[in-house]
Amino acid sequence: AQTVTQSQPEMSVQEAETVTLSCTYDTSESDYYLFWYKQPPSRQMILVIRQEAYKQQNATENRFSVNFQKAAKSFSLKISDSQLGDAAMYFCAYRSYFGNEKLTFGTGTRLTIIP
Amino acid sequence: DAGVIQSPRHEVTEMGQEVTLRCKPISGHDYLFWYRQTMMRGLELLIYFNNNVPIDDSGMPEDRFSAKMPNASFSTLKIQPSEPRDSAVYFCASSLGPPDEKLFFGSGTQLSVL
Repeated sequence: AQTVTQSQPEMSVQEAETVTLSCTYDTSESDYYLFWYKQPPSRQMILVIRQEAYKQQNATENRFSVNFQKAAKSFSLKISDSQLGDAAMYFCAYRSYFGNEKLTFGTGTRLTIIP
Repeated sequence: DAGVIQSPRHEVTEMGQEVTLRCKPISGHDYLFWYRQTMMRGLELLIYFNNNVPIDDSGMPEDRFSAKMPNASFSTLKIQPSEPRDSAVYFCASSLGPPDEKLFFGSGTQLSVL
Protein backbone atom coordinates (compact mmCIF):
# COMPACT_ATOMS: atom_id res chain seq x y z
CA ALA A 1 0.00 0.00 0.00
CA GLN A 2 1.12 3.52 -0.70
CA THR A 3 1.96 5.91 2.12
CA VAL A 4 2.50 9.65 2.10
CA THR A 5 4.54 11.40 4.77
CA GLN A 6 4.65 15.10 5.60
CA SER A 7 7.24 15.59 8.31
CA GLN A 8 6.53 19.27 9.00
CA PRO A 9 3.32 19.70 11.02
CA GLU A 10 3.73 23.49 10.97
CA MET A 11 5.67 26.04 8.96
CA SER A 12 5.75 29.81 8.93
CA VAL A 13 7.09 32.35 6.46
CA GLN A 14 7.29 36.09 6.17
CA GLU A 15 4.98 37.67 3.64
CA ALA A 16 6.67 37.97 0.22
CA GLU A 17 9.27 35.35 1.10
CA THR A 18 9.62 31.81 -0.25
CA VAL A 19 8.76 28.64 1.64
CA THR A 20 9.14 24.95 0.81
CA LEU A 21 6.88 22.23 2.16
CA SER A 22 8.20 18.68 2.19
CA CYS A 23 6.52 15.44 1.18
CA THR A 24 7.82 11.92 0.74
CA TYR A 25 5.94 8.86 -0.36
CA ASP A 26 6.39 5.15 -0.59
CA THR A 27 5.23 3.10 -3.55
CA SER A 28 6.25 0.16 -5.70
CA GLU A 29 4.49 1.59 -8.73
CA SER A 30 6.28 3.36 -11.55
CA ASP A 31 3.34 5.40 -12.84
CA TYR A 32 1.26 7.59 -10.57
CA TYR A 33 0.09 11.13 -9.87
CA LEU A 34 1.08 13.44 -7.05
CA PHE A 35 -0.89 16.41 -5.82
CA TRP A 36 -0.77 19.29 -3.41
CA TYR A 37 -4.11 20.38 -1.95
CA LYS A 38 -4.74 23.50 0.09
CA GLN A 39 -7.35 23.61 2.85
CA PRO A 40 -8.02 27.16 4.04
CA PRO A 41 -10.12 27.95 7.12
CA SER A 42 -13.21 27.69 4.91
CA ARG A 43 -12.49 23.95 4.98
CA GLN A 44 -12.84 23.21 1.27
CA MET A 45 -9.97 21.28 -0.30
CA ILE A 46 -8.53 23.13 -3.28
CA LEU A 47 -6.16 21.60 -5.80
CA VAL A 48 -2.94 23.62 -5.96
CA ILE A 49 -0.77 21.64 -8.34
CA ARG A 50 -0.34 18.15 -9.75
CA GLN A 51 2.55 16.14 -11.18
CA GLU A 52 2.52 13.08 -13.41
CA ALA A 53 5.29 10.69 -12.41
CA TYR A 54 6.22 9.95 -16.01
CA LYS A 55 7.03 13.61 -16.63
CA GLN A 56 10.52 14.70 -15.68
CA GLN A 57 9.69 18.39 -15.84
CA ASN A 58 8.56 19.88 -12.56
CA ALA A 59 5.02 21.29 -12.56
CA THR A 60 4.49 25.01 -12.06
CA GLU A 61 1.33 27.02 -11.41
CA ASN A 62 2.05 30.73 -11.06
CA ARG A 63 3.75 31.18 -7.64
CA PHE A 64 3.56 27.46 -6.87
CA SER A 65 6.10 24.95 -8.12
CA VAL A 66 7.21 21.49 -7.18
CA ASN A 67 10.53 19.70 -6.89
CA PHE A 68 9.79 16.15 -7.95
CA GLN A 69 12.57 13.66 -7.26
CA LYS A 70 11.25 10.30 -8.42
CA ALA A 71 14.21 8.19 -7.34
CA ALA A 72 14.13 9.74 -3.88
CA LYS A 73 10.31 9.58 -3.78
CA SER A 74 10.20 13.20 -2.79
CA PHE A 75 7.65 15.83 -3.85
CA SER A 76 8.13 19.23 -2.25
CA LEU A 77 6.03 22.34 -2.83
CA LYS A 78 7.63 25.76 -3.17
CA ILE A 79 5.54 28.86 -2.67
CA SER A 80 7.18 32.04 -3.92
CA ASP A 81 6.22 35.58 -2.92
CA SER A 82 4.05 34.27 -0.08
CA GLN A 83 0.76 36.07 0.43
CA LEU A 84 -1.58 36.25 3.40
CA GLY A 85 -4.12 34.23 1.44
CA ASP A 86 -1.69 31.33 1.28
CA ALA A 87 -2.23 30.61 4.97
CA ALA A 88 -3.82 27.16 5.13
CA MET A 89 -3.26 23.47 5.69
CA TYR A 90 -1.41 21.88 2.79
CA PHE A 91 -1.83 18.22 1.99
CA CYS A 92 0.31 16.10 -0.25
CA ALA A 93 -1.53 13.25 -1.98
CA TYR A 94 -0.79 10.22 -4.14
CA ARG A 95 -2.93 8.49 -6.73
CA SER A 96 -2.20 5.38 -8.75
CA TYR A 97 -2.09 5.71 -12.49
CA PHE A 98 -3.84 2.42 -13.04
CA GLY A 99 -6.63 0.69 -11.20
CA ASN A 100 -7.57 2.17 -7.87
CA GLU A 101 -8.72 5.75 -8.22
CA LYS A 102 -8.46 6.83 -4.60
CA LEU A 103 -6.21 9.57 -3.26
CA THR A 104 -3.95 8.78 -0.32
CA PHE A 105 -3.19 11.89 1.74
CA GLY A 106 -0.39 12.91 4.03
CA THR A 107 -1.11 14.34 7.47
CA GLY A 108 -0.76 17.93 6.34
CA THR A 109 1.39 20.99 7.06
CA ARG A 110 -0.12 24.09 8.58
CA LEU A 111 1.37 27.17 6.90
CA THR A 112 1.27 30.51 8.68
CA ILE A 113 2.08 33.74 6.84
CA ILE A 114 3.67 36.44 9.00
CA PRO A 115 2.76 39.97 7.86
CA ASP B 1 -21.12 24.31 -12.63
CA ALA B 2 -21.64 24.99 -8.92
CA GLY B 3 -19.08 22.42 -7.88
CA VAL B 4 -19.64 19.54 -5.48
CA ILE B 5 -22.51 20.38 -3.15
CA GLN B 6 -22.81 18.88 0.30
CA SER B 7 -25.53 19.24 2.88
CA PRO B 8 -25.86 19.99 5.67
CA ARG B 9 -22.78 22.08 6.38
CA HIS B 10 -23.10 21.38 10.10
CA GLU B 11 -24.91 18.60 11.90
CA VAL B 12 -25.25 18.19 15.64
CA THR B 13 -26.96 15.08 16.92
CA GLU B 14 -27.18 12.89 19.95
CA MET B 15 -25.62 9.50 20.32
CA GLY B 16 -27.83 6.78 18.92
CA GLN B 17 -29.54 8.95 16.34
CA GLU B 18 -29.45 8.34 12.61
CA VAL B 19 -27.45 10.82 10.53
CA THR B 20 -27.68 11.26 6.76
CA LEU B 21 -25.14 13.29 4.82
CA ARG B 22 -25.86 14.29 1.25
CA CYS B 23 -23.77 15.01 -1.81
CA LYS B 24 -24.38 16.22 -5.33
CA PRO B 25 -21.32 15.67 -7.55
CA ILE B 26 -20.30 17.80 -10.49
CA SER B 27 -22.41 16.95 -13.51
CA GLY B 28 -20.67 14.49 -15.81
CA HIS B 29 -18.24 13.20 -13.22
CA ASP B 30 -18.16 9.40 -13.12
CA TYR B 31 -16.40 8.98 -9.77
CA LEU B 32 -17.64 9.95 -6.33
CA PHE B 33 -15.68 9.65 -3.10
CA TRP B 34 -16.54 9.97 0.57
CA TYR B 35 -13.67 11.02 2.87
CA ARG B 36 -13.58 11.58 6.60
CA GLN B 37 -11.21 14.04 8.26
CA THR B 38 -10.24 13.94 11.93
CA MET B 39 -7.33 15.37 13.86
CA MET B 40 -6.14 11.93 14.89
CA ARG B 41 -6.43 10.09 11.57
CA GLY B 42 -6.27 12.84 8.97
CA LEU B 43 -8.13 12.28 5.70
CA GLU B 44 -9.41 8.76 5.22
CA LEU B 45 -11.25 7.36 2.22
CA LEU B 46 -14.45 5.69 3.30
CA ILE B 47 -15.90 4.54 -0.02
CA TYR B 48 -15.93 5.44 -3.69
CA PHE B 49 -18.30 4.86 -6.58
CA ASN B 50 -17.80 4.57 -10.31
CA ASN B 51 -20.91 5.13 -12.44
CA ASN B 52 -23.04 4.79 -9.30
CA VAL B 53 -21.55 1.41 -8.39
CA PRO B 54 -19.54 1.05 -5.14
CA ILE B 55 -16.00 0.03 -6.04
CA ASP B 56 -14.07 0.10 -2.78
CA ASP B 57 -15.74 0.30 0.61
CA SER B 58 -12.84 -1.07 2.61
CA GLY B 59 -12.55 2.21 4.47
CA MET B 60 -16.05 2.11 5.90
CA PRO B 61 -15.40 1.74 9.62
CA GLU B 62 -18.20 -0.64 10.51
CA ASP B 63 -21.71 -1.75 9.73
CA ARG B 64 -23.15 1.41 11.22
CA PHE B 65 -21.96 3.22 8.10
CA SER B 66 -23.64 2.83 4.73
CA ALA B 67 -23.44 4.75 1.48
CA LYS B 68 -25.65 4.81 -1.57
CA MET B 69 -25.62 6.41 -4.97
CA PRO B 70 -29.07 5.92 -6.49
CA ASN B 71 -28.25 8.05 -9.54
CA ALA B 72 -25.43 10.03 -11.09
CA SER B 73 -26.37 13.24 -9.33
CA PHE B 74 -26.87 12.17 -5.73
CA SER B 75 -25.20 10.19 -2.99
CA THR B 76 -25.82 9.69 0.72
CA LEU B 77 -23.69 8.57 3.63
CA LYS B 78 -25.70 7.27 6.54
CA ILE B 79 -24.61 6.52 10.09
CA GLN B 80 -27.00 4.50 12.22
CA PRO B 81 -26.70 4.57 15.18
CA SER B 82 -24.26 7.44 15.54
CA GLU B 83 -21.56 7.52 18.24
CA PRO B 84 -19.39 10.35 19.61
CA ARG B 85 -16.32 8.89 17.88
CA ASP B 86 -18.03 9.51 14.53
CA SER B 87 -17.57 13.25 15.07
CA ALA B 88 -15.52 14.51 12.13
CA VAL B 89 -15.69 16.48 8.90
CA TYR B 90 -17.07 14.36 6.08
CA PHE B 91 -16.09 15.34 2.55
CA CYS B 92 -17.57 14.32 -0.73
CA ALA B 93 -15.47 14.62 -3.89
CA SER B 94 -15.96 13.82 -7.54
CA SER B 95 -13.83 13.38 -10.63
CA LEU B 96 -14.14 12.62 -14.31
CA GLY B 97 -11.88 9.63 -13.99
CA PRO B 98 -9.10 8.48 -16.32
CA PRO B 99 -7.35 10.18 -17.94
CA ASP B 100 -8.42 13.25 -15.90
CA GLU B 101 -7.43 12.48 -12.34
CA LYS B 102 -8.29 15.72 -10.56
CA LEU B 103 -10.58 15.46 -7.55
CA PHE B 104 -12.97 18.28 -6.74
CA PHE B 105 -14.12 18.49 -3.15
CA GLY B 106 -17.26 19.81 -1.54
CA SER B 107 -17.16 22.07 1.48
CA GLY B 108 -17.69 19.18 3.87
CA THR B 109 -20.17 18.41 6.63
CA GLN B 110 -19.01 19.04 10.20
CA LEU B 111 -20.66 16.29 12.26
CA SER B 112 -20.80 16.48 16.03
CA VAL B 113 -22.28 13.56 17.93
CA LEU B 114 -22.97 14.40 21.58
